[in-house]
Amino acid sequence: ELKVEQNPLFLSMQEGKNYTIYCNYSTTSDRLYWYRQDPGKSLESLFVLLSNGAVKQEGRLMASLDTKARLSTLHITAAVHDLSATYFCAVGRWNNNDMRFGAGTRLTVKP
Amino acid sequence: EAGVTQSPTHLIKTRGQQATLRCSPISGHTSVYWYQQALGLGLQFLLWYDEGEERNRGNFPPRFSGRQFPNYSSELNVNALELEDSALYLCASSKGMGGSYEQYFGPGTRLTVT
Repeated sequence: ELKVEQNPLFLSMQEGKNYTIYCNYSTTSDRLYWYRQDPGKSLESLFVLLSNGAVKQEGRLMASLDTKARLSTLHITAAVHDLSATYFCAVGRWNNNDMRFGAGTRLTVKP
Repeated sequence: EAGVTQSPTHLIKTRGQQATLRCSPISGHTSVYWYQQALGLGLQFLLWYDEGEERNRGNFPPRFSGRQFPNYSSELNVNALELEDSALYLCASSKGMGGSYEQYFGPGTRLTVT
């Protein structure tokens, strides 16, 4: 069974600092997604990673994928308050469109 | 382009009743997915419909069911409601089956069972 583990689950950062969120998954997967969820809101797609070594960047966020290690990272550079949200990784497979989500990382960026 | 829409926004039911949640996908999307996000828990996959058929089902009891209509909109039905069914139910849509089709999420329906 495909399992997805995210850590840390809670992250409190100072503005301007860097940090990394980790997403491990248990079996072979075809694609890895990162989503952002603000309180009471739905999920917003951030990145889609499809191949080993894929790296995508948007603003202060950068996501990477290592399929051999079954690991994806979401790196936050020089955090700002607006990045405060819950971040989910999700892992999917080609053949059944079933996506498994990590438990989420609740990020709080403090001034 | 309109995004995924869900109705109602909030739904309050009592234990034992039935709840019906609705979802309209993005125009051109044929796949619809349902997820449950209980408080303090992650997203749990419920159901996936494509072209009117149920393609995959998560680890939920049969009282969770649904359907997809010819216009690709979808309905999630939860029978014999239990208190632990209280959650945010998210619907997502994608262009089709397999591949790297990204799922786009709706705003969700918050179901409260008392």
